[in-house]
Amino acid sequence: NAGVMQNPRHLVRRRGQEARLRCSPMKGHSHVYWYRQLPEEGLKFMVYLQKENIIDESGMPKERFSAEFPKEGPSILRIQQVVRGDSAAYFCASSPPAGAYEQYFGPGTRLTVT
Amino acid sequence: AQKVTQAQTEISVVEKEDVTLDCVYETRDTTYYLFWYKQPPSGELVFLIRRNSFDEQNEISGRYSWNFQKSTSSFNFTITASQVVDSAVYFCALNTGFQKLVFGTGTRLLVSP
Repeated sequence: NAGVMQNPRHLVRRRGQEARLRCSPMKGHSHVYWYRQLPEEGLKFMVYLQKENIIDESGMPKERFSAEFPKEGPSILRIQQVVRGDSAAYFCASSPPAGAYEQYFGPGTRLTVT
Repeated sequence: AQKVTQAQTEISVVEKEDVTLDCVYETRDTTYYLFWYKQPPSGELVFLIRRNSFDEQNEISGRYSWNFQKSTSSFNFTITASQVVDSAVYFCALNTGFQKLVFGTGTRLLVSP
């Protein structure tokens, strides 16, 4: 049973470009969470999604960031017009419908903005 | 509001020493879960333990042990006979049912041979 998968593992973008980060939850998991880890900091919650619904986006920056979890396919975290301050590790986690207290993390995507 | 404090930014020990990582949490909820994660230099997050608020029993897993005390809102983590492979950043986290995990800022553990 494959774990949470994220791709790409490393992503380099120039300022002003778009970044798309993908997350495939564990099989049978319908809840996805995105967290951001800035350099030398802890993880901060960004957004919580279920299939086709955004449940909690209280941690998302108001501009340039968006997330989706379509009925088919992976969850996508999209960052438009990236700036240097967006450089960070972005982690995705998934959980089953019941027992949502336990979240399983992917390996993360390390975004570098040059 | 929920908050997790890991006051120790970095700890350095010599191999075979015991080390305790402190975690203090804040929540007004009566039902909650506490977690510890390990982040080795490779960067991934490794789940270590989950403890719910109704279970104050201490837990031991090999060289790892956890001490949960509701009276002091603490969930401390002890590594016995530390090894170089234990070198990592360790995060304590809290989940109160609003789905999101609240993380502490982490403690970097350096174990030298």
